[in-house]
Amino acid sequence: DAKTTQPPSMDCAEGRAANLPCNHSTISGNEYVYWYRQIHSQGPQYIIHGLKNNETNEMASLIITEDRKSSTLILPHATLRDTAVYYCIVRVVSGQNFVFGPGTRLSVLP
Amino acid sequence: GAGVSQSPSNKVTEKGKDVELRCDPISGHTALYWYRQSLGQGLEFLIYFQGNSAPDKSGLPSDRFSAERTGGSVSTLTIQRTQQEDSAVYLCASSLMSGRVYNEQFFGPGTRLTVL
Repeated sequence: DAKTTQPPSMDCAEGRAANLPCNHSTISGNEYVYWYRQIHSQGPQYIIHGLKNNETNEMASLIITEDRKSSTLILPHATLRDTAVYYCIVRVVSGQNFVFGPGTRLSVLP
Repeated sequence: GAGVSQSPSNKVTEKGKDVELRCDPISGHTALYWYRQSLGQGLEFLIYFQGNSAPDKSGLPSDRFSAERTGGSVSTLTIQRTQQEDSAVYLCASSLMSGRVYNEQFFGPGTRLTVL
C-alpha cells in the first residue's frame, strides 16, 4: 500500500472548517483513500473514503486532487468533540489490513 | 450487539503469565482483524481472518502470539509468557466482505494490557 504523509498536528477554532491535508504521491490507480479518526482512549472510527471523485457524507467531505497525489479531509464546522488523531490511509479495495501511520493530531480550540 | 466488543477492557498481568483477549465482531462480518497500539504510537497490524481462509499472520511479532477464530465469529488473541514490551492497547476490528467495492473496518474499544 502507498505511503501517506500528514502534518503531525493542527489547530482549528471551534465552528470553523478544519482542513486536514494528506500527500500520497505514490498512489496506484486501484488504491482508495480512506480517512479514520481516533478520539482519545477509543478505537479508530471510519470517516470517509474515495477513489478519484470528491465525496461527502454526514461527517466530512473528501477532496482528492485530479492527479490523486494528495487529498484533503474537510470537517465543515469543527466542534470540540472532533479533537482526535486523524489517519489518512491508501489501500487497494481488496487489501486486507489498513496501515496506520502517525496521523495528524487535530486540536479544536474553544 | 451494535458494534465490535472486546473483553476485558483492562488486563494487568505479571511478566511470564499467559493472557487471552476476546473479540466479538459485528454479526455477519466475515473479516476480523487484530491490531495493537503502544502508548503514543500508531496502530500495528497483527493478524487477519477472512471467512474460512487461512489467516494472515504476517504481523504477529513473535511465536508467543497466536489467535484463533471459532465458528467464523468470536476471536481470541493469546499471548504466552508475556513480556513488558507487550504492554499496549489491543484493538479488534471487523468488516463486511460482500463484494462491495469498499470495506471500512469497525473497531472495538480495545483491551489495555499492562505487563508488570
